[in-house]
Amino acid sequence: AQSVSQHNHHVILSEAASLELGCNYSYGGTVNLFWYVQYPGQHLQLLLKYFSGDPLVKGIKGFEAEFIKSKFSFNLRKPSVQWSDTAEYFCAVNSGGGADGLTFGKGTHLIIQP
Amino acid sequence: NAGVTQTPKFRVLKTGQSMTLLCAQDMNHEYMYWYRQDPGMGLRLIHYSVGEGTTAKGEVPDGYNVSRLKKQNFLLGLESAAPSQTSVYFCASSLFSFNTEAFFGQGTRLTVV
Repeated sequence: AQSVSQHNHHVILSEAASLELGCNYSYGGTVNLFWYVQYPGQHLQLLLKYFSGDPLVKGIKGFEAEFIKSKFSFNLRKPSVQWSDTAEYFCAVNSGGGADGLTFGKGTHLIIQP
Repeated sequence: NAGVTQTPKFRVLKTGQSMTLLCAQDMNHEYMYWYRQDPGMGLRLIHYSVGEGTTAKGEVPDGYNVSRLKKQNFLLGLESAAPSQTSVYFCASSLFSFNTEAFFGQGTRLTVV
């Protein structure tokens, strides 16, 4: 079974700081990769996704992620965070050929201090 | 444009009681999923369905049953609730199983006392 590892469970940053959240997955074949965000008390919303093509993908709210196949990684980045980015961030993987949806990492709780 | 709708949003059950969570999607998606979210555990798949009339077990299926009698609805049942089933439950749907985005409902916060 595939697995997803998120390296940072809790991150605290000041506004305007740069952000990078790590994500590694275990599956060696074709994958779809996602980052979801969950604001306090809300449902999961898609930040960005990678299916194929350019390994650098841009999402909403200034977020981007880079797929590095050789490292099995899909790290999330943002050059300058805002207080409103305080949320839980989940990396997720969908492997080719499987019908059982997404495998999620355990999440990173990001707190942005004003 | 409702997307994925879950009912109820909150529920408190006593140990041993039963209940059904309803998920409805209006996007004509084939695939539907039930996840549970626990602190520090991320989201774990309970059951899923690849089309009307089909269901399959996910990572943590014990204590739950599901049904997909209509394409737009996916029901999650707890026959005899246990405190370990206290969690936030999310339903999701997607058009295909791959190369497609999953859309999530607002979640159901269930407490079993």
